Amino acid sequence: ETGVTQTPRHLVMGMTNKKSLKCEQHLGHNAMYWYKQSAKKPLELMFVYNFKEQTENNSVPSRFSPECPNSSHLFLHLHTLQPEDSALYLCASSQGTSGGAGRTDTQYFGPGTRLTVL
Amino acid sequence: AQSVSQHNHHVILSEAASLELGCNYSYGGTVNLFWYVQYPGQHLQLLLKYFSGDPLVKGIKGFEAEFIKSKFSFNLRKPSVQWSDTAEYFCAVNAKWDTGFQKLVFGTGTRLLVSP
Repeated sequence: ETGVTQTPRHLVMGMTNKKSLKCEQHLGHNAMYWYKQSAKKPLELMFVYNFKEQTENNSVPSRFSPECPNSSHLFLHLHTLQPEDSALYLCASSQGTSGGAGRTDTQYFGPGTRLTVL
Repeated sequence: AQSVSQHNHHVILSEAASLELGCNYSYGGTVNLFWYVQYPGQHLQLLLKYFSGDPLVKGIKGFEAEFIKSKFSFNLRKPSVQWSDTAEYFCAVNAKWDTGFQKLVFGTGTRLLVSP
């Protein structure tokens, strides 16, 4: 059983819709991550939050907007997406450190949200 | 550029066969190394990890991996696979890379199919 949950598990949306993905971790971690998993491509890191502060935005288009209200919750707000944004979006968490996500951090992943943009 | 290479994209084995999946990375600095597994319909799970010490690390379900620093490799092995090992396997490397930012970078994954 995973300590990281994601909702919804599946989402279909039109290009003009606004939707949000939710991630919650029950592991007492301080760092949270959003990844995009597309077919035949490596997992792509999108955003990193460490102690609720965004520490990395990996050149993600502004139609993806993350929010981290506390160390246990992470959201990804979606607006005016394109069909090529269809993918599996994974959330992960790790212990994190006050000096930034540590080298020895182990990330634990949620089940993902399968997003289809029509 | 930061990269993690998994050369075998698809592997098909019979039960009881031995498995070795390759993983190479391009970075000369200090690294932490991981193998994750994704069973059909399930989330990514940690299989094993290397931080320091003995370069031969053992993970769950009989898997092991060997870190060879001179070859920039972290190959995954299992002496005898089972049908239940059918899954996708991802190598990942955590390093500061050339950007100076700590980042976990994944390979493209290897789909393993074990026939009974």
